[in-house]
Amino acid sequence: GDSVTQMEGPVTLSEEAFLTINCTYTATGYPSLFWYVQYPGEGLQLLLKATKADDKGSNKGFEATYRKETTSFHLEKGSVQVSDSAVYFCALTSSGNTPLVFGKGTRLSVIA
Amino acid sequence: DAGITQSPRHKVTETGTPVTLRCHQTENHRYMYWYRQDPGHGLRLIHYSYGVKDTDKGEVSDGYSVSRSKTEDFLLTLESATSSQTSVYFCAISESRGGGRDEQFFGPGTRLTVL
Repeated sequence: GDSVTQMEGPVTLSEEAFLTINCTYTATGYPSLFWYVQYPGEGLQLLLKATKADDKGSNKGFEATYRKETTSFHLEKGSVQVSDSAVYFCALTSSGNTPLVFGKGTRLSVIA
Repeated sequence: DAGITQSPRHKVTETGTPVTLRCHQTENHRYMYWYRQDPGHGLRLIHYSYGVKDTDKGEVSDGYSVSRSKTEDFLLTLESATSSQTSVYFCAISESRGGGRDEQFFGPGTRLTVL
């Protein structure tokens, strides 16, 4: 079945550091890929998405590129802020209109 | 923000008691989902609904039942709560079945503790 593997946390960075959170997937067909973010005490909200190979999703300074050849969708940000501290989830849905499959989440802490 | 509310937001109950969690949406979206979130497991799908009275099981459906009698409401019932069902429960909605074009919108969550 479909699955998502993302790097385990927690990840602790200093403010203005470069962020990479790795995500790889296994799926049938041509999945759409998502990054969701969960701030403390809140539900998940969509951060960015990509629906086909080589698409780049971007939002709030975060970017991720859909790499079919490496089955990856790594999340990056050039300069993190304290306000980026949250849990980040990589997710996918296959082309057959299946519900989302989530990775286990990566907790990011940014210190001033 | 998508109009999704969950009630109650917090609940403490005892083993063996029935518990019902409610998800209410004002977006008229067709699809609704129940997930549970546990440390080390991320989010796991319990049940979902693709229309009124149309539901299907997810990855971790044992011990849970759902009902959807109206578009706006999706109920999750634990018939006889167990300590392993202590978790944070999230409801989500989407216009399609997460088919790559439409994101899922999440509610604020319900923290359930089963003693």
